Amino acid sequence: NAGVTQTPKFRVLKTGQSMTLLCAQDMNHEYMYWYRQDPGMGLRLIHYSVGEGTTAKGEVPDGYNVSRLKKQNFLLGLESAAPSQTSVYFCASSTGAYNEQFFGPGTRLTVL
Amino acid sequence: SQQGEEDPQALSIQEGENATMNCSYKTSINNLQWYRQNSGRGLVHLILIRSNEREKHSGRLRVTLDTSKKSSSLLITASRAADTASYFCATDALSGNTPLVFGKGTRLSVIA
Repeated sequence: NAGVTQTPKFRVLKTGQSMTLLCAQDMNHEYMYWYRQDPGMGLRLIHYSVGEGTTAKGEVPDGYNVSRLKKQNFLLGLESAAPSQTSVYFCASSTGAYNEQFFGPGTRLTVL
Repeated sequence: SQQGEEDPQALSIQEGENATMNCSYKTSINNLQWYRQNSGRGLVHLILIRSNEREKHSGRLRVTLDTSKKSSSLLITASRAADTASYFCATDALSGNTPLVFGKGTRLSVIA
């Protein structure tokens, strides 16, 4: 079991560029999440999904889009990157809303 | 927001000492979870305590929950240098299927 994997691990973008972060899980979890973590801010939920084909907004969704076309994958897109999106992004999955979440290793994104 | 808030923000202790971290939250919950994050890594689940439980143990970890005070504590006994990490509490909502909300964490440093 690989658990939760994230691609890429590091990325540097210029302002206005776009990119997609990929999260994959092999635990057959229904729920998947995207968080960003900034110094002193803890984890903030961007978007989440309660099942294949569904997505919902979290606390800080502006500037991001997501898709869950397959149960095992959850994609996070930045259409026009801004320096304020410089952060570490974590993906997680769980069997239910109240259950233990399993986290990926993170993607460190820098927007210049 | 019913975000949990950890206290203290940072804690530095000697190896062998006990470490206590606290979490306070705002609204009624189903359960409360504690996670650990080593530097540069994803979060790892430590323990889940349900609202009808008052205390739970796992190895050197002891978690208490006081729903009347809306607070929880995490005690790490006989700390080791390897316990150096950030610790987060996460709370759910009593109703609905909304995701967990994470606090900003306590940074624990265990000095050998």
